[in-house]
Amino acid sequence: QKEVEQNSGPLSVPEGAIASLNCTYSDRGSQSFFWYRQYSGKSPELIMFIYSNGDKEDGRFTAQLNKASQYVSLLIRDSQPSDSATYLCAVNLYSGGYQKVTFGIGTKLQVIP
Amino acid sequence: EPEVTQTPSHQVTQMGQEVILRCVPISNHLYFYWYRQILGQKVEFLVSFYNNEISEKSEIFDDQFSVERPDGSNFTLKIRSTKLEDSAMYFCASRKRREGDTQYFGPGTRLTVL
Repeated sequence: QKEVEQNSGPLSVPEGAIASLNCTYSDRGSQSFFWYRQYSGKSPELIMFIYSNGDKEDGRFTAQLNKASQYVSLLIRDSQPSDSATYLCAVNLYSGGYQKVTFGIGTKLQVIP
Repeated sequence: EPEVTQTPSHQVTQMGQEVILRCVPISNHLYFYWYRQILGQKVEFLVSFYNNEISEKSEIFDDQFSVERPDGSNFTLKIRSTKLEDSAMYFCASRKRREGDTQYFGPGTRLTVL
């Protein structure tokens, strides 16, 4: 069973702090990794994607990937109340040229003003 | 900026009725997907579609489900005989191969089966 595991939270951080969101996955063949943000009742919105081991930074967001540990994380610096949402980790596996994306349950982030 | 659109935003139906959920993917995208999200649960893959045929489907996508691209723009999900447990948000997504793996999601259709 290919799984993506996340702590459902809620994770509460004060405004201005760093929020750290973690995700583990079970399929070693997974090739690309995504973080989506989902506000209540809305569709997932892509925040970042990462393919290679290491860090990838985009503004206040940093994605970190460690394929040996099957671990991917998202850091949000200078957290804002508007960052309060559920963050979905998604893992992509190519099979026969086609893409299949598996989502985690999502971590609910609350940024306290 | 181009976006995926879905209609209707909310569909209420009686158990046993057929529903068709509609999606207009981003115009130059080649790969199309349907996902569902039951309230409070994770986003689940249903089916992927490329070159006018299903490329992969999950165990959820049983015989009561079907997809179609009836023209050059629309991508539909049909549920033949709805069950109470089909109540969920249904998201359409599309991807342009040359931009890699990024899937862009539509706003979703909330399906309520009574």
